[in-house]
Amino acid sequence: NAGVTQTPKFQVLKTGQSMTLQCAQDMNHNSMYWYRQDPGMGLRLIYYSASEGTTDKGEVPNGYNVSRLNKREFSLRLESAAPSQTSVYFCATSGPFPTIYFGEGSWLTVV
Amino acid sequence: DQQVKQNSPSLSVQEGRISILNCDYTNSMFDYFLWYKKYPAEGPTFLISISSIKDKNEDGRFTVFLNKSAKHLSLHIVPSQPGDSAVYFCAASAGDDKIIFGKGTRLHILP
Repeated sequence: NAGVTQTPKFQVLKTGQSMTLQCAQDMNHNSMYWYRQDPGMGLRLIYYSASEGTTDKGEVPNGYNVSRLNKREFSLRLESAAPSQTSVYFCATSGPFPTIYFGEGSWLTVV
Repeated sequence: DQQVKQNSPSLSVQEGRISILNCDYTNSMFDYFLWYKKYPAEGPTFLISISSIKDKNEDGRFTVFLNKSAKHLSLHIVPSQPGDSAVYFCAASAGDDKIIFGKGTRLHILP
């Protein structure tokens, strides 16, 4: 997990609140990702960014927005949190295709 | 629609024996496949990968086999060790930056 830093690690939100998950990598990689992990659902891709200035939807983008601020940083925003967004969120990055490196995860609970 | 399927949610294997984890995929455009290992409260870590031009790749105790005609791959761990107890994710890519994961298989190594 070295090189990919996610903040915050834990967060509790009330339904309707907004928040941003931050991710930074120091591996000088072009591609960055946001996944969510839910019991029995595995890792599902929310959004990804192949390079600075580009973002693309993954498998489950609804309810989320992303910003690729620069090469290092890729943030995930929940504009109006819902209980269905309670999950563990993983940021990842890949350089030499296609091995990707994950952060340690952010545990989000929406009540 | 699930493009990467791991149909066994869990698997128990005796220490020292062979562990075989299976993965099926539906997208014929996938040309690169990866296996990741995940411990609780940590991000997934890369284990081994295989390109579609190969049918086997080995790395120490880990071997991945690819059967393109059956759209099936498997991860063999031999001999299985207690530290191998984890969740294993199969993932696939079609040569772009989008990497799709399966739901995972929880491997228990029994003493």
